[in-house]
Amino acid sequence: QKEVEQNSGPLSVPEGAIASLNCTYSDRGSQSFFWYRQYSGKSPELIMSIYSNGDKEDGRFTAQLNKASQYVSLLIRDSQPSDSATYLCAVRLAGNFNKFYFGSGTKLNVKP
Amino acid sequence: NAGVMQNPRHLVRRRGQEARLRCSPMKGHSHVYWYRQLPEEGLKFMVYLQKENIIDESGMPKERFSAEFPKEGPSILRIQQVVRGDSAAYFCASSPTGDQADTQYFGPGTRLTVL
Repeated sequence: QKEVEQNSGPLSVPEGAIASLNCTYSDRGSQSFFWYRQYSGKSPELIMSIYSNGDKEDGRFTAQLNKASQYVSLLIRDSQPSDSATYLCAVRLAGNFNKFYFGSGTKLNVKP
Repeated sequence: NAGVMQNPRHLVRRRGQEARLRCSPMKGHSHVYWYRQLPEEGLKFMVYLQKENIIDESGMPKERFSAEFPKEGPSILRIQQVVRGDSAAYFCASSPTGDQADTQYFGPGTRLTVL
């Protein structure tokens, strides 16, 4: 079982819609959760970090964490074609202070 | 404030040659991580270093791969006797200490092609 799992997609949404990206993790003691955006041929860019249960909003992005169900999600409101990219979920495992595991990413395609 | 620097951006090697990838962390950052990414796949952790110390190398292949982060100069990821399966993008990330240690900033990556 992989430490972090994501649906590879592609997820296609029309411009202006809400894109919902999901991620599950296996280590119940995980403490820190991150969403990165990666454009094709580019390096990952941090979008959001979340540490406690509930929602965290930053502009058009909302991260949601449910530790009981071991999932993290990212909502993108008013999706734009420029949001088309691969979104990587990352988790810092308990007991490995600075070791991070990344999911394989979900490819998002926002259609104009 | 310059970001994480990596060089070269592209590296072509023939089978059996050595590849040296360099990473200069952001100013003030003392933690360096190396990741490998195969096409259409996520990032795979390789090694975590602080100055002059390897903290966690559990993701590194046991043979041919080594990493260092000397007191002076960039971090180096070294791959000896490269094989075609080593072809990938290698990303370096750095993070500060303290409360922000969770936040990783990535360099542009080195794309290694083994012929």
